[in-house]
Order: sequence, then C-alpha cells, then structure tokens
Amino acid sequence: DIQMTQSPSSLSASVGDRVTITCRASQSISNYLNWYQQKPGKAPKLLIYAASSLQSGVPSRFSGSGSGTDFTLTISSLQPEDFAIYYCQQSYSTPMYTFGQGTKLEIK
Amino acid sequence: QVQLQESGPGLVKPSETLSLTCTVSGASVSSRTYYWSWIRQPPGKGLEWIGYIYYSGSTNYNPSLKSRVTISVDTSKNQFSLKLTSVTAADTAVYYCARVLSSSYNWFDPWGQGTLVTVSS
Repeated sequence: DIQMTQSPSSLSASVGDRVTITCRASQSISNYLNWYQQKPGKAPKLLIYAASSLQSGVPSRFSGSGSGTDFTLTISSLQPEDFAIYYCQQSYSTPMYTFGQGTKLEIK
Repeated sequence: QVQLQESGPGLVKPSETLSLTCTVSGASVSSRTYYWSWIRQPPGKGLEWIGYIYYSGSTNYNPSLKSRVTISVDTSKNQFSLKLTSVTAADTAVYYCARVLSSSYNWFDPWGQGTLVTVSS
C-alpha cells in the first residue's frame, strides 16, 4: 500500500496567516493527490483534486501544488471558517485509496 | 444538486452484521461516470476507504476488509448498500457514503453526512 504522511499533525495559526500543510507519499504518485477539509461533526469536503485543481465553489485562497512524492496545500490568508482538519488522499494505486492521518489547524 | 444520505442501525452487537444503505438524489447510481463508495472514520481518528461499486455491479474492496465486506447496488431505488460481517468494537466508526469519478483520476465528492455505528453488546 502507498502510505501518506502529513506534516505537521497539528498547527496553530492566526486569522490572516499564510499556512502550508505538507503531504508525502511513500512512492511516486504523479499528481494523483486530493485534499479535503473536515469540520467537527461534518463530512469531509473536497478542496483540491489532481494536486492543484481547485474544486468548484472553493475559495481561491486555497491552492495545491506538488508532484511525485511531495505535495502542499496552502491557504494564503486564513479565515475563521478555515479552522478544521485537512486530509490528503492518493488515487494513484486505484482502487486502493489511502488518506493521510490529517492535520488539525487550530486558532492561535 | 447531488446528495447522499446514509441510513441504518446505530448499534450493532459484536459478531453480527453491520448493514447500511446510501440513498442518492440528484444523480443516478446507474451512471457510467461514477463509482459509489463507502468510507469510515473511527471516533477521533482518520479516514479509511472500505470499497466501491460500479453501476454494473462490479466491486473493489480494501484488502484489509475484503473478507467481511459486501457492497451492492439497487438501481430501482437509486441506492447502494454496505454489509460488514463479524463486527467487533474496532468497527465502531462514522460510516460515510460518497461518489467517486470513474476516470483515471478519482476523488470523493460529494459525501453523505455520515452515520455513527457503535459495536457493543
């Protein structure tokens, strides 16, 4: 199985900060990488697909980059509603999809 | 607007079978464009893909669960279902259904709201 490792596991930041979350794959996955946001008691929501494509309706302050084994999710200016848990997910080794362990973004 | 809604018992006894249904609105489970998937999340933990089904009835499962999982589809009701046998406390989780684009790139969107299933006597 392809293992996905996110860093950091948790992060404290302030409104207006620029934040970057990293996801590393245990082997190359090209750009078969998606990002999700999960708020407490809610289902995950797709933010970014194919490493860098912004899902319709997602604010442009979210962006994704990377290829191969290293990927990043960047929030350019944190808003109060962005405090949540973020997950990466690989779809390279279909149909065995795997997720990262999550990064909890908290208010400083 | 595509919506998915999970339903089923919230409490299952150990060694019994967990059964959940996902009702789809705004899209057809008969579509050749999508797979229909189940994902679970133990309380306070991360996400685990369980499996998916295609309109044709073909399925793929997580190898770690494959011996206990069956996913089926009912096109007449626009639903798909999950059965997980011989459950233990480790199967306690929020279970989500989700749609997956059936292309070379796959992502889960949208998701149902999720349903908590507790395994306990």
